[in-house]
Order: sequence, then structure tokens, then C-alpha cells
Amino acid sequence: DAGITQSPRHKVTETGTPVTLRCHQTENHRYMYWYRQDPGHGLRLIHYSYGVKDTDKGEVSDGYSVSRSKTEDFLLTLESATSSQTSVYFCAISSDRGNNSPLHFGNGTRLTVT
Amino acid sequence: AQSVTQLDSHVSVSEGTPVLLRCNYSSSYSPSLFWYVQHPNKGLQLLLKYTSAATLVKGINGFEAEFKKSETSFHLTKPSAHMSDAAEYFCVVSVSPAGNKLTFGGGTRVLVKP
Repeated sequence: DAGITQSPRHKVTETGTPVTLRCHQTENHRYMYWYRQDPGHGLRLIHYSYGVKDTDKGEVSDGYSVSRSKTEDFLLTLESATSSQTSVYFCAISSDRGNNSPLHFGNGTRLTVT
Repeated sequence: AQSVTQLDSHVSVSEGTPVLLRCNYSSSYSPSLFWYVQHPNKGLQLLLKYTSAATLVKGINGFEAEFKKSETSFHLTKPSAHMSDAAEYFCVVSVSPAGNKLTFGGGTRVLVKP
């Protein structure tokens, strides 16, 4: 497996609280991504990063923010968690932009918002 | 806009029989197409990719997929299913100039019966 670590692996939080998920990579890849996985929807892109301090929105970015202050770390923050954000969150990395770059995924963080 | 549709949400096969997972896509550009597999409680792993070279693509674990532009399809097959093939499979499209922004299908869960 590519060197990707997501933390925490599981989290339960209450509605309205802020939550931060961490993705750490040891591959020195330039591109990092946050996806959420929900039944019947496959994976949907929340935000991605194409370098330190360079980020862009995906298709479901509302309610989420990201930061990348170092190549190896990509943080996803839920500013005020809602029940609709209960999901499994996956971090992914890739070595290059473009259609030819496969993604390597972490093992996911299961988040439950009560 | 790009989109991808997996025609079956669940597929059940007997061990040793062929597997067929169907995927149709729509794209305004020449697409790159991928199949990923996800085993329980794991991240996704790349099975194979099509990037405008040969239309028949061979992947890992005996899987292959055929790109048919006229049918806008990219079906995944394996001649003989193994118990370890029980997993969820995702068809994915990446379209230039979106670069690494991928669109995932809703997934097909494969059950392999002994």
C-alpha cells in the first residue's frame, strides 16, 4: 500500500461541533484529495490540493474547508458538523495531474454525527 | 459534463463462473477510464485503466475491460470468479481538461457463492 495514513479511523461527534480529519502521506506526492463515500453515490470529491497552500473545491465542498501547510499533510475540517455529513471519508494521493495518474487511497475515516 | 453509470448495483456469481460488471459513461472529451476495487473496510485499489491506447485493457487479478466508443461503455470482465473477488467495484471517468477530477459510478457489489 502507498504510505497514506488517515486519522482518526473512527469518530463520533455531535451536531454543531467542529471536526478535523487528517491525511498524512510519505510518498511526497504533489496531489492530495478528500472524498466522501455514501451508499449509491460512489465517491464524491470534496476538495483537492495541487501543492502546498494550493487547494480547490470539488463537487460537494459546502460545509468543508481544507488546509495544506506541508506536502505530507492534508487536513479536512467540518466547520460545524451536521448529520448529513455522516459518511466515510477517504484521502487519496497521486503523483501527477492528468488523466493518466491513478489515485492511491487511504483506508478511510468513518464519521458519525449525532 | 462527464458522468458514469454502473448498470448493476449488485451482482451475484458462483465461484468459477464469469463475471461481468457493466459501465456506461458520457463525456464531451476523450475520456480516461478506470476500474477500482474496494474490499471491506479498505480504501480503493486500482484494477486497470484505459488511456486511449489499446481498447482491451488488462488489469490485475485476471480482470480486463474493453473500451467501446460507439457504445460509450467500459465493461469489466473476468473469466472465472474467485472467492477473493467479493468486493465493491467502481467505474471512474476522468476527462480533460479537468485533469485529476474524477467522477465515480455508484458502485457494483459482487457476491461470490461457493
